[in-house]
Amino acid sequence: GIQVEQSPPDLILQEGANSTLRCNFSDSVNNLQWFHQNPWGQLINLFYIPSGTKQNGRLSATTVATERYSLLYISSSQTTDSGVYFCAVVGTGGGADGLTFGKGTHLIIQP
Amino acid sequence: ETGVTQSPTHLIKTRGQQVTLRCSSQSGHNTVSWYQQALGQGPQFIFQYYREEENGRGNFPPRFSGLQFPNYSSELNVNALELDDSALYLCASSLGANTQYFGPGTRLTVL
Repeated sequence: GIQVEQSPPDLILQEGANSTLRCNFSDSVNNLQWFHQNPWGQLINLFYIPSGTKQNGRLSATTVATERYSLLYISSSQTTDSGVYFCAVVGTGGGADGLTFGKGTHLIIQP
Repeated sequence: ETGVTQSPTHLIKTRGQQVTLRCSSQSGHNTVSWYQQALGQGPQFIFQYYREEENGRGNFPPRFSGLQFPNYSSELNVNALELDDSALYLCASSLGANTQYFGPGTRLTVL
């Protein structure tokens, strides 16, 4: 099946800093989503972005499907941005449309 | 708020027992997917239901089974519970293969 690798695994930043999270995937994808998981376990949708670039406030994402990677940018970080960020994909190889998740990036924003 | 609800919020069972978890999908969605998230890991795809039929399955044994009802709500049943089944169980609803929206999860503890 498709493999998803996220980097870095952990990231500690000061409030106000910018950050870039990376997601590499091993095959073509029909679906790529970025999530933020809050301390209570809720997965919050950030972007649906199988290709191209999107922006939502301080967050933006770019997926280069031909090179099999996606980047999530967080600008002017706030303490509420802390948590685990997941990239998840559905490959084009057929079968069910279940998402394959990476192991996540654990982001800590310090005041 | 995604409009996806799950019940119960928390559950404690003993090894060998059976458990049923429930999920109500977002209005207008016809597909429900279930995921298991062990502590410190990314969610793992269990199976997906589309219009009341199982539409694909991840690497989980047959003691994990499910149903989808005409209103597109869904149940996840786990028989013969094992200690390793302790996890956060997440359901997601979508319209076909489009963006998946997650519920808040059910935290299952097996003693």
